[in-house]
Amino acid sequence: ELKVEQNPLFLSMQEGKNYTIYCNYSTTSDRLYWYRQDPGKSLESLFVLLSNGAVKQEGRLMASLDTKARLSTLHITAAVHDLSATYFCAVANSGTYKYIFGTGTRLKVLA
Amino acid sequence: EAGVAQSPRYKIIEKRQSVAFWCNPISGHATLYWYQQILGQGPKLLIQFQNNGVVDDSQLPKDRFSAERLKGVDSTLKIQPAKLEDSAVYLCASSFQGRNEQYFGPGTRLTVT
Repeated sequence: ELKVEQNPLFLSMQEGKNYTIYCNYSTTSDRLYWYRQDPGKSLESLFVLLSNGAVKQEGRLMASLDTKARLSTLHITAAVHDLSATYFCAVANSGTYKYIFGTGTRLKVLA
Repeated sequence: EAGVAQSPRYKIIEKRQSVAFWCNPISGHATLYWYQQILGQGPKLLIQFQNNGVVDDSQLPKDRFSAERLKGVDSTLKIQPAKLEDSAVYLCASSFQGRNEQYFGPGTRLTVT
């Protein structure tokens, strides 16, 4: 059974600092997504990672995928307050494309 | 392009009552998902449709939850009877095919008292 774990669960950081969120999953998969969710809002897609070594960047966020280690990272560079949100990774079960979401990382960037 | 539509946005009911949620996916999207998101947790898949057939409903509490997608477009999710622990946001998502990116609707926030 596919399981997805994220850490940390909570992250409070100062503006301008760098940090990394980790997403580990338990079985092979051919795609991984990162989503952002603001309080009371739905999920917004950030990145889709399709192959080993894939790296995607948008603004201050960069996501990478290591399928051999079953690990994805979301790196935050020089954080700003607007990045405060909850970030989820989701891994697709190969074949059925049933998506399993991680527990989420609640990020708070302090001004 | 219109996004995924859901209604109602909010619903408050008493336990043991029934409730239904509606979802209209993005036009042309064959795969439709219903998720339950309890406060502070990640979305949990309840049911996945491919056109009007069920791909996965392993986590749907079938004694009280039901869902249908009769013409392969709109879908309804019903809870009958509701329990306190059903309080959550119910998210609908769709994708062109299962292997493609999912797009989420705004969700329905259900409160069971």
